[in-house]
Amino acid sequence: GAVVSQHPSWVICKSGTSVKIECRSLDFQATTMFWYRQFPKQSLMLMATSNEGSKATYEQGVEKDKFLINHASLTLSTLTVTSAHPEDSSFYICSAAGGLGRGDNEQFFGPGTRLTVL
Amino acid sequence: SQQGEEDPQALSIQEGENATMNCSYKTSINNLQWYRQNSGRGLVHLILIRSNEREKHSGRLRVTLDTSKKSSSLLITASRAADTASYFCATDHTGTASKLTFGTGTRLQVTL
Repeated sequence: GAVVSQHPSWVICKSGTSVKIECRSLDFQATTMFWYRQFPKQSLMLMATSNEGSKATYEQGVEKDKFLINHASLTLSTLTVTSAHPEDSSFYICSAAGGLGRGDNEQFFGPGTRLTVL
Repeated sequence: SQQGEEDPQALSIQEGENATMNCSYKTSINNLQWYRQNSGRGLVHLILIRSNEREKHSGRLRVTLDTSKKSSSLLITASRAADTASYFCATDHTGTASKLTFGTGTRLQVTL
């Protein structure tokens, strides 16, 4: 099956610092990767869609200068939370799609990264 | 917002009973998917049903889709304590380039 990893699985940082989260598709090439944010006891909210080699498409209300997304290869996308603040504390989940010849554009999800900003 | 609604928000049942969760959405879809999430963990894909399908089974799971009512249901039969988790429906809407819109989720608690 398709495996997606995220690193780190959890991170604690001080307010004002930047944090980078990696999302890797381990056994397939992902043409598209998605980044979601999930607050406690809430649903996943899509933040942005990234395609390899092009700029990410951000959802309404998501600050592109604060959440920098880079999709430099077909197996790696990174999300950098710049100048993090306590309200950025959340569970960040990535997913990867494409490259498996499946017609349903199935997304495969990473295990998530818990970010806590002090 | 295209976010779907799920009900109930929370469901508590005893082991062996069946659990039914419902999902409603707003605009036409290519497919609808159900996911499970254990507390603080990632998502596990359970089942995908296409817009031209009405019912699908996978083990103890049964999913129905009624596109005229824009609704879906997930039935877990003979529930087990290990089924305790949050369950989300996610819709792949027509014309949205494979983006998924997640429902609000149902928190299922299965007690012994």
